[in-house]
Amino acid sequence: QVQLVETGGGVVQPGRSLRLSCAASGFTFSTYGMQWVRQAPGQGLEWVAVISNDGNNKYYADSVKGRFTISRDNSKNMLFLQLNSLRAEDTAVYHCAKDLTTLILAIDSWGRGTLVSVSS
Amino acid sequence: QSVLTQPPSVSAAPGQKVTISCSGTSSNIGNNYVSWYQQFPGTAPKLLIYENNKRLSGMPDRFSGSKSGTSATLGISGLQTGDEADYYCGTWDSSLSAYVFGTGTEVTVL
Repeated sequence: QVQLVETGGGVVQPGRSLRLSCAASGFTFSTYGMQWVRQAPGQGLEWVAVISNDGNNKYYADSVKGRFTISRDNSKNMLFLQLNSLRAEDTAVYHCAKDLTTLILAIDSWGRGTLVSVSS
Repeated sequence: QSVLTQPPSVSAAPGQKVTISCSGTSSNIGNNYVSWYQQFPGTAPKLLIYENNKRLSGMPDRFSGSKSGTSATLGISGLQTGDEADYYCGTWDSSLSAYVFGTGTEVTVL
């Protein structure tokens, strides 16, 4: 059974940084692309970033490009998202998500999410 | 703002069928597979349909997907009160090099 557990969220001031982690279990982590998807309070889904199974390919939403960095450690079954230069509009629940393929096709498993609140 | 447009809401009586449209362009829906997700309030989304019309094992066949040109459609037949949720389409956008979600549609069972 696939399990994705996010940690690292919290309240942070604008301009500061945060690092989110996702512990994966129940599947062969190194075989699948992994993603981050966020959802602001009362809003729709917003895709953030994807990393290929081997970590060699990464893509980002324009809204976070240059500020966020996705990475993974296949030896530890961990996914990360480094959030820098945070803005109020980055406030959202951040979900760790597993893809059906080695990069990106469809998200078949989601974590419950961790809340990031950017406020002064 | 999303590049994929969905109606804000649809509704029907129990047992009836609803369809949810997802409109895009040639850079996204027109040349890439579409997925559909269901989300209940306060919970993580769930994959319903992938590759335009495929269901994961165990998913009820009341849910169906189709695609034509730059639009995709999710159908829910035999509507049940338990189907009340938000539904999102999603696909890769080759021009943006990014995955995009639709604006979301709330399904209400009358």
